[in-house]
Parts: sequence; C-alpha cells; structure tokens
Amino acid sequence: NAGVIQTPRHKVTGKGQEATLWCEPISGHSAVFWYRQTIVQGLEFLTYFRNQAPIDDSGMPKERFSAQMPNQSHSTLKIQSTQPQDSAVYLCASSLEGYAEQFFGPGTRLTVL
Amino acid sequence: TQTVSQSDAHVTVFEGDSVELRCNYSYGGSIYLSWYIQHHGHGLQFLLKYYSGNPVVQGVNGFEAEFSKSDSSFHLRKASVHWSDSAVYFCAVSAPGGNYKPTFGKGTSLVVHP
Repeated sequence: NAGVIQTPRHKVTGKGQEATLWCEPISGHSAVFWYRQTIVQGLEFLTYFRNQAPIDDSGMPKERFSAQMPNQSHSTLKIQSTQPQDSAVYLCASSLEGYAEQFFGPGTRLTVL
Repeated sequence: TQTVSQSDAHVTVFEGDSVELRCNYSYGGSIYLSWYIQHHGHGLQFLLKYYSGNPVVQGVNGFEAEFSKSDSSFHLRKASVHWSDSAVYFCAVSAPGGNYKPTFGKGTSLVVHP
C-alpha cells in the first residue's frame, strides 16, 4: 500500500497559466477530499467526492477552480489562469467512507510567480 | 453548521512533560471528532477518533482524547511527550447531517524541547 499519491510534489507556474494537480487515492477508498493549506488561512476544505460523485464543493473558488474524478483511481484539481494568491500546498486525502479516518497524501506545493 | 476552535496556536513544553491540546466544537447533532498530526513538510496523519461510547479514546503513540458533551470539547492529551512529538496538531469535526464534510481547526503547533 503506497498510500495516497500526489503528483507533482512541486509545481511552479507563471501568472495566468493553468495548473493540474493529480491525486491517486488508496485502492478501495470511496471518498476523496481536496484541501488547500497556507500559513495565513490554514487548512481549507475545497471539495469532496464519494464513489466518484461530487458531494460538496462549497470550498472551491467559483471561478478558475475545478475538480474531477473520472475513475476510482484518480482525481484531478485544475486551476485555470493561476494567480499568486493560489500559491499554497494542495492536499488530497482519501477514506473508506466519508466519516472514516482520512489518509493524506504528501501534498503538491504550487508556486505562482 | 459545524465549527471547531483550537484556542492555543502554540504550545511549548519539555521532554517528559504532560501536555493537553484543546479543541472545542459547536454542532447541534451527532458528530465525529478526530485529531490529526502534521510533521513539517508532510501531509496529515490520523491520531484518533470519537463518535460514541467511551468518551476517552486511545490513539497512537500514547495520545488520548476525551470527549465532553457538556463542554463541547475534545481535548488531546499525552502523559509524557518526546521531542519527536513536535508537530502541528489539528482537531476535525464532521457530521452525518453535513454529508460528512470535514471542518478542521487552525491547528496547534507543539514544540517539545529536549
């Protein structure tokens, strides 16, 4: 069991470019969560899938951010027209069920210049 | 709406000391309460969870937490800390009524001096 895999570990983009972050949940886990972590805002919930269906995306900025889970083995978080304020560590987590303990990946550190 | 508050942003102790990290929540119904630990440069790791039953739950590495409905609290404790316990600790809540969407506290940074 390799745990939750996130790629890339680090990504640097220029302002206005697109960034796609990948997450591979633990096999057999039905729930996948995305978070954003910064020093100032702390850990912010972004969105949540259960059995690949979007359950709650109330934390997603309405513009430029989108998340998908096309199959049970991976999820993507896409940020269009990246801005410096998008710089953060993006964490993905999975769990057996929505209420169960979450297993976190190591995160993707996004830096927007 | 569920909320969670960790009143101490930073706690500093010496190795061998006991420590209590505080977590208070607000929610009107059944709730899951959890603690996670995050070492620098890593993702969060699950420590323990409470939903029902014995209000004192045991976790990994000697950590335990106690649920109090009257105080709306779920404080984390350890009797004797080690320098490797230095990390940021997050309290989290989720509720069936909220689709299990998790809410995390802002974290408490624990520094253990050797």
